Amino acid sequence: AQTIHQWPVAEIKAVGSPLSLGCTIKGKSSPNLYWYWQATGGTLQQLFYSITVGQVESVVQLNLSASRPKDDQFILSTEKLLLSHSGFYLCAWGDWGLNTLYFGAGTRLSVL
Amino acid sequence: AQSVTQPDARVTVSEGASLQLRCKYSYSATPYLFWYVQYPRQGLQLLLKYYSGDPVVQGVNSFEAEFSKSNSSFHLQKASVHWSDSAVYFCALSMSTNTGKLTFGDGTVLTVKP
Repeated sequence: AQTIHQWPVAEIKAVGSPLSLGCTIKGKSSPNLYWYWQATGGTLQQLFYSITVGQVESVVQLNLSASRPKDDQFILSTEKLLLSHSGFYLCAWGDWGLNTLYFGAGTRLSVL
Repeated sequence: AQSVTQPDARVTVSEGASLQLRCKYSYSATPYLFWYVQYPRQGLQLLLKYYSGDPVVQGVNSFEAEFSKSNSSFHLQKASVHWSDSAVYFCALSMSTNTGKLTFGDGTVLTVKP
């Protein structure tokens, strides 16, 4: 069975500080990987997707970047956090044979 | 452009009562439709999905949903709710590409009173 692990579980960071969030998927070779963001009390918005190692497509410009250094790893980062970056970040993998996304447990980010 | 509307931001029902959470979509073709549930401070869990065929789909925890092309709807139902069903429920639409882009509704907060 596939498992998706996100780290850290939660972060409290200062405005202007750097950020790195990670996501690892096990049990699925060459997965399509996705980052979603959920503002507090809001709906979800896709940020990035990656179909293969080294390739990342940006969907929304939020002064964030993403990288896929390994087949099973997806990293979300920024060098300078903004207050507006606060929220819940969810990593997901897609099973496009079934047209379905499966989400990780998420990372809650508070920018102060 | 596609969109998903969940007209009820909050729904409160008593334990044991029946439930319907509404979802309306806008899309020019037949979409792929999903219901996800988010328990407090957790990620999203897939409840059920519709691709084609029988318009009534069964999901986990006795949830089911009915697709209606004529009404552009995909309402979620449960015959008898339990207090543990309290959560936020999201309806989502996919256009079936590997961009993995789901268009989500704003969610419905379900509170089940004991």
